[in-house]
Amino acid sequence: NAGVTQTPKFQVLKTGQSMTLQCAQDMNHNSMYWYRQDPGMGLRLIYYSASEGTTDKGEVPNGYNVSRLNKREFSLRLESAAPSQTSVYFCASLRGLADTQYFGPGTRLTVL
Amino acid sequence: EDKVVQSPLSLVVHEGDTVTLNCSYEVTNFRSLLWYKQEKKAPTFLFMLTSSGIEKKSGRLSSILDKKELSSILNITATQTGDSAIYLCAVEASGGTYKYIFGTGTRLKVLA
Repeated sequence: NAGVTQTPKFQVLKTGQSMTLQCAQDMNHNSMYWYRQDPGMGLRLIYYSASEGTTDKGEVPNGYNVSRLNKREFSLRLESAAPSQTSVYFCASLRGLADTQYFGPGTRLTVL
Repeated sequence: EDKVVQSPLSLVVHEGDTVTLNCSYEVTNFRSLLWYKQEKKAPTFLFMLTSSGIEKKSGRLSSILDKKELSSILNITATQTGDSAIYLCAVEASGGTYKYIFGTGTRLKVLA
């Protein structure tokens, strides 16, 4: 049982480049989330998908787009990376409101 | 605006000490508050507190929800170096949106 998986684990981009972070869960969870975590900070919600077919903005959505490809997969796209997007990105999934979120191992992204 | 505030931001103690971490929140239609422990990787779940479950305990860790004061505390007794981590508090945002708001976390360091 893999839980929540994220690829890649590490990535270095140049300013202006684009990339997609991939997230998949095998727990048949309905909701999925993308967070970023900067040094000394908690988790800030970028986008989330309460259920397959829906996506909503979180606290810091600017500069990002998401796709809920199917129930298992939720991707995060940076169209034109900026140094301010240097961060650790976590994906999470949730079965329902009476449950806890399960987190992936994170992607460390550096934008030069 | 929904808000979660944790205090202190950081804390250094010696093994054997007892610590109390605080989390206060402002959300309407409160449903749940969750505590997570984050070491070098992804957050791991500790406790979920709701209106029907305002006190939880696991070993040396315990947590209480005070709905009147809109806050929660996480207590760790007889601290060990393995307790060194960031402790995160999260609250489901208003309206049953499946959106979770995290505090900035408390960084705890336990010295041998």
